[in-house]
Amino acid sequence: QPVLTQPPSASASLGASVTLTCTLSSGYSNSKVDWYQRRPGKGPRFVMRVGTGGIVGSKGDGIPDRFSVLGSGLNRYLTIKNIQEEDESDYHCGADHGIGSNFVYVFGNGTKVTVL
Amino acid sequence: QVQLQESGPGLVKPSQTLSLTCTVSGGSISSGYYYWSWIRQPPGKGLEWIGYISYSGSTYYNPSLKSRVTISVDTSKNQFSLKLSSVTAADTAVYYCARQFNPWGQGTLVTVSS
Repeated sequence: QPVLTQPPSASASLGASVTLTCTLSSGYSNSKVDWYQRRPGKGPRFVMRVGTGGIVGSKGDGIPDRFSVLGSGLNRYLTIKNIQEEDESDYHCGADHGIGSNFVYVFGNGTKVTVL
Repeated sequence: QVQLQESGPGLVKPSQTLSLTCTVSGGSISSGYYYWSWIRQPPGKGLEWIGYISYSGSTYYNPSLKSRVTISVDTSKNQFSLKLSSVTAADTAVYYCARQFNPWGQGTLVTVSS
């Protein structure tokens, strides 16, 4: 099963941009990754899914246009442009692997985003 | 729109069984082709998928927890449930339920302590 690696923290000034990285372990360059936003005191919210070709499917409900994704090699990126105070959250990536009784879903440890 | 709410004891003694229920509103648990998930996050750690169940009762569990986990569904109550047996302090976490992985409930903290 894949291992997902995320840096523990990132920061950006209000109105600036920040790019978060989720790195898949070797051998999983074709895997799609889901991004989630977890705001303080709330459950995670699905942001969008990304593959090597970019977004897969639709954004989650209420996700602003300033959120976008890219995929390259083993890396899956989430970019937040014109970052706002309400974007200060933990961002987790997740990926599924296998089918049927071999199915498993794994998460990265999350990146805490601070808006300066 | 579909909403989920976790409920259950916030404190469980070591070696006992943790039991949580997720109530689904705004949609029927029997409609569509969704799986209904349990996920947890221990303090200071990342998210961990526990497992999920289809409306018909097919289950898939994280291999690391499989021996201790049971997920069941009650379509008449529009609920699904989690049981985790032989708990230890390592099972202390915020437990979330979700429709597959979208949307999620707000989570409930379960502490394992005597």
